[in-house]
Amino acid sequence: EAGVTQSPTHLIKTRGQQATLRCSPISGHTSVYWYQQALGLGLQFLLWYDEGEERNRGNFPPRFSGRQFPNYSSELNVNALELEDSALYLCASRFPGLLDSPLHFGNGTRLTVT
Amino acid sequence: EDQVTQSPEALRLQEGESSSLNCSYTVSGLRGLFWYRQDPGKGPEFLFTLYSAGEEKEKERLKATLTKKESFLHITAPKPEDSATYLCAVQVYGGSEKLVFGKGTKLTVNP
Repeated sequence: EAGVTQSPTHLIKTRGQQATLRCSPISGHTSVYWYQQALGLGLQFLLWYDEGEERNRGNFPPRFSGRQFPNYSSELNVNALELEDSALYLCASRFPGLLDSPLHFGNGTRLTVT
Repeated sequence: EDQVTQSPEALRLQEGESSSLNCSYTVSGLRGLFWYRQDPGKGPEFLFTLYSAGEEKEKERLKATLTKKESFLHITAPKPEDSATYLCAVQVYGGSEKLVFGKGTKLTVNP
């Protein structure tokens, strides 16, 4: 069974640009979560998508947005990039209907803003 | 506000030297506590879920336990391949179905 896949692996952008990160969940998983892992801060919850809808978002500004497609893959967009957006962005998926089941993570996209 | 605190931040052990990692939590109602392992440059890998106080789970050299306020990850006779960052996360009732993570304990096991 293929795990959660994310692309690209690495992304280098300049301050003020936009970044687009992509995620494909495990087959059969309909919920997708995005987390930011910045140095020294641990994993911070960004967004949760389920059945194509945004269900919840963390304490991040509106320039962090995303969507979930009909095939349950997801995209995270970060507009007007700032230096502090440099981090590992992790996507995770979960089996539908089991809200206390573990999240399964991809290996992330390393975003560097210069 | 739901909080998860892990200690120590870093732990260095000799191969075969057993020890424990701590995860203390302050939440409104615990739905589940999760342990993950994260290797450098990789995403977190799921290890255990614990749901109620007194519960224990084991996998190879790892054993996770849960009380009403904290969880321990016991590592028995560790090997160098156990070196990683260990993350603890909680999910609460009435929350947003997200997991709240601690900052992790970086474990180094020397041969």
